[in-house]
Amino acid sequence: QLQLQESGPGLVRPSETLSLTCTVSGGSISSSSFYWGWIRQPPGKGLEWIGSISYTGNTWYNSSLKSRVTISVDTSKKQFSLQLNSVTAADTAVYYCARVLRYFDWPLDYWGQGTLVTVSS
Amino acid sequence: EIVLTQSPGTLSLSPGERATLSCRASQSVTSNYLAWYQQKPGQAPRFLIYGASSRATGIPDRFSGSGSGTDFTLTISRLEPEDFAVYYCHQYGNSPGTFGQGTKVEIK
Repeated sequence: QLQLQESGPGLVRPSETLSLTCTVSGGSISSSSFYWGWIRQPPGKGLEWIGSISYTGNTWYNSSLKSRVTISVDTSKKQFSLQLNSVTAADTAVYYCARVLRYFDWPLDYWGQGTLVTVSS
Repeated sequence: EIVLTQSPGTLSLSPGERATLSCRASQSVTSNYLAWYQQKPGQAPRFLIYGASSRATGIPDRFSGSGSGTDFTLTISRLEPEDFAVYYCHQYGNSPGTFGQGTKVEIK
């Protein structure tokens, strides 16, 4: 059974960089059939796409966040990572990593449990 | 980008009843690329439906999706206790993919 697990700081200061890593287990990250994505959910609100990446490093970013986002992949560690620069309180959310069926912003079939990141001084 | 509007905001039903959830798009969704997810408190979303009407692996057949163009529906034929949750639609036919704001199905 494929499993994904987010890790990283739960508190980030305003204007700093949010960094999270997703570790994939129980399956291969190196498949051309899938991308690997990041989605976030502010407390009490709905879901928002951040972006996704293939195992070869091809990326897709939501244009609303594109100027501040970098997603990278390390297939040797079966991990992919998210960096979000210049964060503000509006970036406080539960951040999920997930497997994307096919590519870009397509459906997400396996999800991590999510990690709450709070932006506060 | 396409805006998805889900209705109603909250649906109050009893176990055994039929639930009908609506997702309306601000413009036609290419190839009816519309998915549905279920989310329970404190949990990640669970993938239910893709391509408007195809059930994901392991999803019970009491869940069904229908619709095309701008109007889509998720139907739960007979509500089980574990079905009370928030449901989100997600269109992926037009980039960027977008999600609806959710419909909460609560116990009456």
